[in-house]
Amino acid sequence: KNEVEQSPQNLTAQEGEFITINCSYSVGISALHWLQQHPGGGIVSLFMLSSGKKKHGRLIATINIQEKHSSLHITASHPRDSAVYICAGTQGGSEKLVFGKGTKLTVNP
Amino acid sequence: GAGVSQTPSNKVTEKGKYVELRCDPISGHTALYWYRQSLGQGPEFLIYFQGTGAADDSGLPNDRFFAVRPEGSVSTLKIQRTERGDSAVYLCASSLTSRTEAFFGQGTRLTVV
Repeated sequence: KNEVEQSPQNLTAQEGEFITINCSYSVGISALHWLQQHPGGGIVSLFMLSSGKKKHGRLIATINIQEKHSSLHITASHPRDSAVYICAGTQGGSEKLVFGKGTKLTVNP
Repeated sequence: GAGVSQTPSNKVTEKGKYVELRCDPISGHTALYWYRQSLGQGPEFLIYFQGTGAADDSGLPNDRFFAVRPEGSVSTLKIQRTERGDSAVYLCASSLTSRTEAFFGQGTRLTVV
């Protein structure tokens, strides 16, 4: 069983819609990362958080430590937001990232 | 440089050959990570360097894989006797310390034919 589970696997939205991607993680994950990957392989770090909430532009990430759950929200979605969004956890004690399988987001105009 | 640089961006090699993949981390970043991503999957951890030493190499699949970081900056991932199953995108990431945000390179797409 993967230590980081994401849902949904695929998500299609219309431009302007509010989008939520969910991530659940297991005991031993000390910090949670949200990453964006565009076709061609490049990965961009969006957020790293271990508590509370972070916001950058139209992106918001939240984490609930007690429930071991994090969400990534995109407000006023745009076709350029189309990408794979990956949740990853820092494995405490080893410092390596354990990745979810990703959520492929397609935003249609 | 401004970001993590990986070379080559694409590598096609024949089964059984030796390949080297290079990663130039962001200057001053002490932590360096190698990951491997197969088609349709999330990246999987290979090895983590703190400075010059491999702090965790538990993700290397077998002894055909080896990585070095002799001066604590550039790292090279080496694969001997390549197999078709080694085909994947190899990603490098660096961070200021092991507990800060990681920055990823564009990856090297390795194809073993």
